[in-house]
Amino acid sequence: QQQVKQSPQSLIVQKGGISIINCAYENTAFDYFPWYQQFPGKGPALLIAIRPDVSEKKEGRFTISFNKSAKQFSLHIMDSQPGDSATYFCAASYQTGANNLFFGTGTRLTVIP
Amino acid sequence: NAGVTQTPKFQVLKTGQSMTLQCAQDMNHNSMYWYRQDPGMGLRLIYYSASEGTTDKGEVPNGYNVSRLNKREFSLRLESAAPSQTSVYFCASREQFHSNQPQHFGDGTRLSIL
Repeated sequence: QQQVKQSPQSLIVQKGGISIINCAYENTAFDYFPWYQQFPGKGPALLIAIRPDVSEKKEGRFTISFNKSAKQFSLHIMDSQPGDSATYFCAASYQTGANNLFFGTGTRLTVIP
Repeated sequence: NAGVTQTPKFQVLKTGQSMTLQCAQDMNHNSMYWYRQDPGMGLRLIYYSASEGTTDKGEVPNGYNVSRLNKREFSLRLESAAPSQTSVYFCASREQFHSNQPQHFGDGTRLSIL
């Protein structure tokens, strides 16, 4: 059972446009929600993360919006660039047990020049 | 600063063969993890080591064993490889176990089992 559901599977955006990737979860024990960026042939790298006590976090062109009541969170990439073309994974974890990351299935973003 | 180093980068095995995937980190992190990445399924945790001397099962441990050789190294062993274990394997490390610090990933081992 997928603990974190991610959509869309793939996304094509024009350069300068806004890329939006959505994730949803059921387990209310999750208390940490990171986004990872992965380029072909490389491992995932942390992009930005949020805790459920805030509704939004912005770092440069990347923003996480978090809706605790709806159990949803999303990544917005403003002014998308060809260099942003990569696969993006949302994830969630909680600080008990294995404390491991539960990953979404990934979104392959292509930014067209 | 190398971070997390995985070897080999690519490997092809025949069904029934065994092999060990190696992982080393140079960040003095306490916890280490092994994931597998399959198309359409994201990354799933195989085993983890909260600290040197301890290992525990993750979501998908069947068919695998691990060894936390020392603080730096965490290996993953396939005793009798099966085609269902064809995947990309990632090792990760984190400074402390029960924390929300980021996990740092290696570049993966691409394993094909024929």
